[in-house]
Amino acid sequence: DARVTQTPRHKVTEMGQEVTMRCQPILGHNTVFWYRQTMMQGLELLAYFRNRAPLDDSGMPKDRFSAEMPDATLATLKIQPSEPRDSAVYFCASGLSPRETQYFGPGTRLLVL
Amino acid sequence: GESVGLHLPTLSVQEGDNSIINCAYSNSASDYFIWYKQESGKGPQFIIDIRSNMDKRQGQRVTVLLNKTVKHLSLQIAATQPGDSAVYFCAENRPNRDDKIIFGKGTRLHILP
Repeated sequence: DARVTQTPRHKVTEMGQEVTMRCQPILGHNTVFWYRQTMMQGLELLAYFRNRAPLDDSGMPKDRFSAEMPDATLATLKIQPSEPRDSAVYFCASGLSPRETQYFGPGTRLLVL
Repeated sequence: GESVGLHLPTLSVQEGDNSIINCAYSNSASDYFIWYKQESGKGPQFIIDIRSNMDKRQGQRVTVLLNKTVKHLSLQIAATQPGDSAVYFCAENRPNRDDKIIFGKGTRLHILP
């Protein structure tokens, strides 16, 4: 049963610390998305990659957020330095293309104190 | 203080009745639509999809209807069960918007005993 995995599932950190979230997409999926979900804003697209190349990161605060795909089996989302307003659930999703169904991971619940 | 969050429309349905969740989309060029279900503490999960060359598609206990004339999409759930309690998102592919899937704000389905 192929699924997207994310680590860690929960993270509590202090303001100013670096946070790294990891995602393993479904094998064979060449498109990877990062979303943030909050009570205030709902589900927001932060960035997405196709064939490991970033296609759109317009939803991501560039000064503190960065997203990479070191290889086809790993996507990372990094926040440095973290701020309390970054507290949210971060989802990774993968798919066969940006126009096809996306399969979501379980999310990383981040709390920045 | 009082928490302020994203106001999601809520649909309350008696267990055993049919549920109909509606979604309006704005771009007449959208050609692919997906319904997702998000249970508490989990990531959105694919339910069913439909392409614009169809007006109806059925799955197990679910039916999606597409009315392109009025740009309206609906999800019908037959014989609603307690496990159907969740937030339901419609998503559309807008070819003119960087060719990616755009999510709506969601509707919360509440099952009455």
